[in-house]
Order: sequence, then structure tokens, then C-alpha cells
Amino acid sequence: DAKTTQPNSMESNEEEPVHLPCNHSTISGTDYIHWYRQLPSQGPEYVIHGLTSNVNNRMASLAIAEDRKSSTLILHRATLRDAAVYYCILWSVWQGGKLIFGQGTELSVKP
Amino acid sequence: NAGVTQTPKFQVLKTGQSMTLQCAQDMNHNSMYWYRQDPGMGLRLIYYSASEGTTDKGEVPNGYNVSRLNKREFSLRLESAAPSQTSVYFCASTLRGTETQYFGPGTRLLVL
Repeated sequence: DAKTTQPNSMESNEEEPVHLPCNHSTISGTDYIHWYRQLPSQGPEYVIHGLTSNVNNRMASLAIAEDRKSSTLILHRATLRDAAVYYCILWSVWQGGKLIFGQGTELSVKP
Repeated sequence: NAGVTQTPKFQVLKTGQSMTLQCAQDMNHNSMYWYRQDPGMGLRLIYYSASEGTTDKGEVPNGYNVSRLNKREFSLRLESAAPSQTSVYFCASTLRGTETQYFGPGTRLLVL
């Protein structure tokens, strides 16, 4: 299974943008880049995903490098409710849709 | 829609006891998954079911059995609980061919 590498932790100030990086140098052509987040004492929730092009939704934006070996999740204005562990995961339909979680990045947001 | 529901929320077992964790989804999803999460770690896949009537092992299946009772329900059984199975257990489901998994709130299990 292709692997991702994320910083263990990051800090942000409230109402400022946050850029969460992810490296996935062994990504294959059929791997989608997924981001999930896990708020304290809750199950993970889907944030965003993409294949090659940058993606935007109401929660975040996903910027994917041209060679697809790295990506960045962008929270445009961090709020206290965005404090969570963020997981960058490579997903492939050929793996039965399974998600392989790493340790993720713990984001703390300061008021 | 209730989404993915799990029962119980909390459970304390003694070593050697058995129990079944229940999971149900009302989204008409094909695939269902069981994960465990140990403190400070990411989730690890125990078993999954791509469709009703099929189950497959994940990364850490030892000590567990599963049953896909019907399309809605996927249960996880611990036949003889061990302290190493103390963890938080999450169930998830997804519509086959789509990429998004929906997770339940988790079951916190303590094995003494």
C-alpha cells in the first residue's frame, strides 16, 4: 500500500489560513488523495478528495502538486472547531475501497 | 437518516469474556468496515465486507470474527477478550464505487 507522510502536529491562530502538508512519493496513477479529520472523541469524517486537479468544497481546498507526490489541505479560516487530527490517505478502488490510516497531523487552533 | 450507529457506547469486559459489537447503517451502503484505534494512533482495519454475504480480513483480524447479517448490519465478535483488545472500535460504511466512508461514533472497550 502506498504510504503518506505528515507532520505530527501543527498550530494555527483562529481566523487565519492553515496549510496542512502531505507527502506521498509512491502514489500510483489510480490512487486518489483523501483527507479525513477526527475531532476529539468522535469518529473520522470525510473532508475532501482529489485525483489530479485542485478541489474546493465548503470545508476546505485541496492543492495537488503537478507530479502528485505531495498535496496540501487548506483551511481558509481556521476556527476553534477545526482543532482535530487530520489524516491524508491514498485510496484506490482496486484495494476494495479500504482506507489505510497513518498517524495524521494534530492541528491545534489558538484563539 | 441516523447514518452509522454503534452499540454499545462503552463496555468493560474481563479477560476471557465474549461480546458482540453491533453496527447498523441506514444509507443503503454496500460496503462496511470495522476499525480499531489505540490511544494516540491512527485507525487500523480489522475486517470489512464489500457486500452482503462477503467478509474479508483487514490489517489486524486476529482475535475477532464478523458477521454481515444483512445489508444494514455488520457485527464484530470477540470470542475471548484480551487486555490487548482494549481500544475504541469504529464501524464505517460506503456506497460501492464511491470514495467516501461514513463513520459511527465508536465503541469504547476496556478489557481488564
